[in-house]
Amino acid sequence: NAGVTQTPKFQVLKTGQSMTLQCAQDMNHEYMSWYRQDPGMGLRLIHYSVGAGITDQGEVPNGYNVSRSTTEDFPLRLLSAAPSQTSVYFCASSYRPLSSYNSPLHFGNGTRLTVT
Amino acid sequence: KNQVEQSPQSLIILEGKNCTLQCNYTVSPFSNLRWYKQDTGRGPVSLTIMTFSQNTKSNGRYTATLDADTKQSSLHITASQLSDSASYICVASGHYQLIWGAGTKLIIKP
Repeated sequence: NAGVTQTPKFQVLKTGQSMTLQCAQDMNHEYMSWYRQDPGMGLRLIHYSVGAGITDQGEVPNGYNVSRSTTEDFPLRLLSAAPSQTSVYFCASSYRPLSSYNSPLHFGNGTRLTVT
Repeated sequence: KNQVEQSPQSLIILEGKNCTLQCNYTVSPFSNLRWYKQDTGRGPVSLTIMTFSQNTKSNGRYTATLDADTKQSSLHITASQLSDSASYICVASGHYQLIWGAGTKLIIKP
């Protein structure tokens, strides 16, 4: 049981480039989400999905796209990278929707992205 | 505005000592309060989840308390170990949303 797997671990992009951050979970969780973590701030929700084929925007969705074709995978696409997107990105999954009691989020170990 | 504030921002204690981390939240409606531990370079890991009706919950040497009236929570660590060095994040859950604190960075010195 690998849990939540994120790739790559590190990435450097130039302004304007695009890329996809990969996220996969093997726990058969319906709910998956993407967060960004910046120094001195709490985690901020980018996009989330409550099941295959269903996605929705979180708190900071601009500049990012997601899709959920399978239960296991939830990739995050940066369309045209900007320095403001320099951050650590975490993928998380849970058995039930995010605010449900006794359904903790399981996180991957993050992708550290630098945009120059 | 929904928000979670944690104190202190950072804390250094000697191995074997106890410590208490604080969390104040203003989230409405309120569902549950969570504490996560985040080791450097890793994703957060859940320590406890408490509903508004629970006052205390333990997970080994970690004990979380919740006062829903004053909107305060604390995380008490007993007999600290070097492996407790990490950031501890408080999260208040409202209606279909999680509000994350910025965390307390705890350093345990031998």
